[in-house]
Amino acid sequence: DAGVTQSPTHLIKTRGQQVTLRCSPKSGHDTVSWYQQALGQGPQFIFQYYEEEERQRGNFPDRFSGHQFPNYSSELNVNALLLGDSALYLCASSLGLLAKNIQYFGAGTRLSVL
Amino acid sequence: GQQVMQIPQYQHVQEGEDFTTYCNSSTTLSNIQWYKQRPGGHPVFLIQLVKSGEVKKQKRLTFQFGEAKKNSSLHITATQTTDVGTYFCAGPADSNYQLIWGAGTKLIIKP
Repeated sequence: DAGVTQSPTHLIKTRGQQVTLRCSPKSGHDTVSWYQQALGQGPQFIFQYYEEEERQRGNFPDRFSGHQFPNYSSELNVNALLLGDSALYLCASSLGLLAKNIQYFGAGTRLSVL
Repeated sequence: GQQVMQIPQYQHVQEGEDFTTYCNSSTTLSNIQWYKQRPGGHPVFLIQLVKSGEVKKQKRLTFQFGEAKKNSSLHITATQTTDVGTYFCAGPADSNYQLIWGAGTKLIIKP
């Protein structure tokens, strides 16, 4: 039973570029949440996808967008990268929308913006 | 806005000493979850508390949920090197559809 997988593991981009991160949820899970974790900080909620729609969104600008596919996998897109976007991006999957549902995290994608 | 605060930010202990982290919410929570993140790793779910005053134990770890359901604590007895990492608490936002995370408490074992 595969857990949550994310790709790539590391990424280096320059300011102004665009990036796409990918996530495959744990088998049987239908909800994907994306988080940004800066060094030494807790995860910050970006958005959540369920039934191929964005259901909840945190306090992130429109440069951050996403998608969920029929097989429940998801992408996070960030446009016009800023230095401050450098962080660990975590994908978490769960069964159902509710926050009380346990979230299973992938290993993350570490993004460095130069 | 709704906030979840954790203290302390860091705790240095000798191996074998106890460790405690405290979590406080600005609002009443329906439940609280605890996660552990090892250095270089990702958060891993430890436990969920739901009831007012609930206490749960996992070996050397004791989790408590306050009577008012606004605070929680994690206590580790006789720390071991395997306990090193950052411990996060997280509670549902008012919408009940997203988790609000504390900033975490980093457990450091002194050499």
